[in-house]
Amino acid sequence: NAGVMQNPRHLVRRRGQEARLRCSPMKGHSHVYWYRQLPEEGLKFMVYLQKENIIDESGMPKERFSAEFPKEGPSILRIQQVVRGDSAAYFCASSPLLPGQGAGGYTFGSGTRLTVV
Amino acid sequence: KQEVTQIPAALSVPEGENLVLNCSFTDSAIYNLQWFRQDPGKGLTSLLLIQSSQREQTSGRLNASLDKSSGRSTLYIAASQPGDSATYLCAVSAEMRYALNFGKGTSLLVTP
Repeated sequence: NAGVMQNPRHLVRRRGQEARLRCSPMKGHSHVYWYRQLPEEGLKFMVYLQKENIIDESGMPKERFSAEFPKEGPSILRIQQVVRGDSAAYFCASSPLLPGQGAGGYTFGSGTRLTVV
Repeated sequence: KQEVTQIPAALSVPEGENLVLNCSFTDSAIYNLQWFRQDPGKGLTSLLLIQSSQREQTSGRLNASLDKSSGRSTLYIAASQPGDSATYLCAVSAEMRYALNFGKGTSLLVTP
């Protein structure tokens, strides 16, 4: 079991371009979460998805950001028309059940570090 | 709104020392509390998960306690080693059980 896989590890985009971040959850995990870590800040919850459903996107900026978790394939976090303030580490986590149920909490990926130049 | 604070922000200790990292949270109505380790450029590794009904959890040289009423948790690391050097993050889940509120972390350096 390879764990939660995120790619790319590093992504550089010019202002105005689009950024697509991918996350493959652990095998058997049907819950996916995205977090953002801005420089010198703690991780902030962005969105919670299950297969083909967005359960809670209350932490995601209303504009330019979107997320999906299709029936087949990885979860995608998409940022359109990136700005310098989007530069951050974006982490994905997955769980087999709601955190706290059963065997434990989240398993996190290694993150994608987005730099907007 | 839940606020999670970790003290100290940074800590440097010689190898072999026992140490305590502190975490406080403003809303005691939590579902669980989790301690993570983050290595530079890497993801988060879950260390210990404490349910709101529990008082402590232990794993090897690590022991985490939870006092919900006072809004505090401590992570105790016994006989520290250079390999323990990392940033330690405290996170609580509350009203939305799936959304973790993180502190900014304690950066630990254990010197040989």
